Amino acid sequence: DAKTTQPPSMDCAEGRAANLPCNHSTISGNEYVYWYRQIHSQGPQYIIHGLKNNETNEMASLIITEDRKSSTLILPHATLRDTAVYYCIVRAYNFNKFYFGSGTKLNVKP
Amino acid sequence: DGGITQSPKYLFRKEGQNVTLSCEQNLNHDAMYWYRQDPGQGLRLIYYSQIVNDFQKGDIAEGYSVSREKKESFPLTVTSAQKNPTAFYLCASSKDSQGENTEAFFGQGTRLTVV
Repeated sequence: DAKTTQPPSMDCAEGRAANLPCNHSTISGNEYVYWYRQIHSQGPQYIIHGLKNNETNEMASLIITEDRKSSTLILPHATLRDTAVYYCIVRAYNFNKFYFGSGTKLNVKP
Repeated sequence: DGGITQSPKYLFRKEGQNVTLSCEQNLNHDAMYWYRQDPGQGLRLIYYSQIVNDFQKGDIAEGYSVSREKKESFPLTVTSAQKNPTAFYLCASSKDSQGENTEAFFGQGTRLTVV
């Protein structure tokens, strides 16, 4: 399974865009990039996923580099409620395990 | 409302006792998973099941057991053989074991404390 590398923590001002990077340099062609977030002591919440094209939904945008070795999750207008640990996960198309790393603790400040 | 229910939210047990954590889903999902989370750490996969009456070990299965007799239910038993059972346990399910749109949905977790 491809491993992911994320910074342990990031700060963001409320109302500004939060850009969370993820490195997955060993990703293979049939592996998807998923993003989840976990607010303290709750179950992780699905945010978005993609294969090679950029994706956008009501929560966030996912930008995947052309070589697919890294990606960025963008929260366009961060609020205090977006303070959480964000996990970047690589998951194979035909393999139903979701491997979580340590994630990035995003601190949104007023 | 559809979702995953874990019970209880908090559980205390004495050392040496087996304890079973409940996980029920009404999402009609085929695959179900159990994860363990320690303070400040990510989630580690204990067991997963792709279909009824079938399950596979994850990365840290020692000291745990599961069953999948019904599609909706995937209980986890923490046995006395588990050396450090105190942790936050999370159950998840996904629509299908394979395929593109199979994000996992998580329950709210059970915090187990063994004293």
